[in-house]
Amino acid sequence: AQSVTQPDIHITVSEGASLELRCNYSYGATPYLFWYVQSPGQGLQLLLKYFSGDTLVQGIKGFEAEFKRSQSSFNLRKPSVHWSDAAEYFCAVAPLGSGNTGKLIFGQGTTLQVKP
Amino acid sequence: EAQVTQNPRYLITVTGKKLTVTCSQNMNHEYMSWYRQDPGLGLRQIYYSMNVEVTDKGDVPEGYKVSRKEKRNFPLILESPSPNQTSLYFCASSLSTGVDEQFFGPGTRLTVL
Repeated sequence: AQSVTQPDIHITVSEGASLELRCNYSYGATPYLFWYVQSPGQGLQLLLKYFSGDTLVQGIKGFEAEFKRSQSSFNLRKPSVHWSDAAEYFCAVAPLGSGNTGKLIFGQGTTLQVKP
Repeated sequence: EAQVTQNPRYLITVTGKKLTVTCSQNMNHEYMSWYRQDPGLGLRQIYYSMNVEVTDKGDVPEGYKVSRKEKRNFPLILESPSPNQTSLYFCASSLSTGVDEQFFGPGTRLTVL
């Protein structure tokens, strides 16, 4: 079955430290890939997306993600975390051909806590 | 300001009492969608709409209805709410398809007693 897995439910990092959030997907072909962030009490905001081309994509707020086809992964990274990055992060995929349905399949989410 | 608005933000109701959660966007987007968010499950799509008068089921449509009579509005209707519909609900819109960037509303936290 098609699925998206975020192995880490909760991650704590110190402010200024680097961050990597993991995302693995299970599909027959490379889907469209997304990372969304949800700040407390807010809706989701798109950080970045990958459709094709360069496997390292840059997003907003200093985030980047790398698509690795061999590992079926799309991990999110940030070199230096700020306290304002504390939020819940969702990896999502849209299977090829699903553009009409907009059927995003979301992972379970990873909650990021930032220590001062 | 470009935004998706939802009302109400919080709602506590009782089993069987019909309710509507409104959703409105001011970006002239064609595509709109409803999701529910439950702990450990991420977001799951309830219904979506490609344009006015065009709606279709998502992954978890049971117990819900939607309508799209105007481009900007996409209300979610629970005809007879049950406790298993207690959840956090998000409306989202995008320019024309679901793989365009989706803009999310602030969410509606619903509790059904």
